Amino acid sequence: LAKTTQPISMDSYEGQEVNITCSHNNIATNDYITWYQQFPSQGPRFIIQGYKTKVTNEVASLFIPADRKSSTLSLPRVSLSDTAVYYCLVGDVDSSYKLIFGSGTRLLVRP
Amino acid sequence: EAGVTQFPSHSVIEKGQTVTLRCDPISGHDNLYWYRRVMGKEIKFLLHFVKESKQDESGMPNNRFLAERTGGTYSTLKVQPAELEDSGVYFCASSPRQGSSPLHFGNGTRLTVT
Repeated sequence: LAKTTQPISMDSYEGQEVNITCSHNNIATNDYITWYQQFPSQGPRFIIQGYKTKVTNEVASLFIPADRKSSTLSLPRVSLSDTAVYYCLVGDVDSSYKLIFGSGTRLLVRP
Repeated sequence: EAGVTQFPSHSVIEKGQTVTLRCDPISGHDNLYWYRRVMGKEIKFLLHFVKESKQDESGMPNNRFLAERTGGTYSTLKVQPAELEDSGVYFCASSPRQGSSPLHFGNGTRLTVT
């Protein structure tokens, strides 16, 4: 499974848009890109998944350039409750359950 | 719909004792997974069930760990005998199918071996 690189931490303020970029230079043709969010004392929670271009749901957008070597999770107008660790994971469809979690990005949203 | 539930939420045992963790997946989810985060490390895959069958147990650390899923519903993960390095948080997850289906995680069991 492809290895990912993300910033260790990010700070933001309420109401701002937050963009977290993940690098996955060795992504394979069959790999999907998935983002999870984790709060303290809870399990990871699925946010969004994509293969190419742009995906949007009710909580976030995922931007994937044509070469797919990186992806950007965009959180619009963050609130204090978005303070969490965000994980970018890459894996192929057949073994996508075998998630490889890196260190994630610790997002702190300030008032 | 009820989420993935794990029991207990915390467990403190002494080295050499036995502990059994339980996971109830979301109803109807055939796929069940165990992950764990040991102290200071990243979350890592342990094993995967499809219904009652072990599909992939390549992440199980050693033979002190035994996972079962009798009847294809809930699953148990037994550690016997527990060692200090087994301390960490054990997560269970489930999904209705493989492929690109996202995993639904429980809140984990925090295991402390003293």
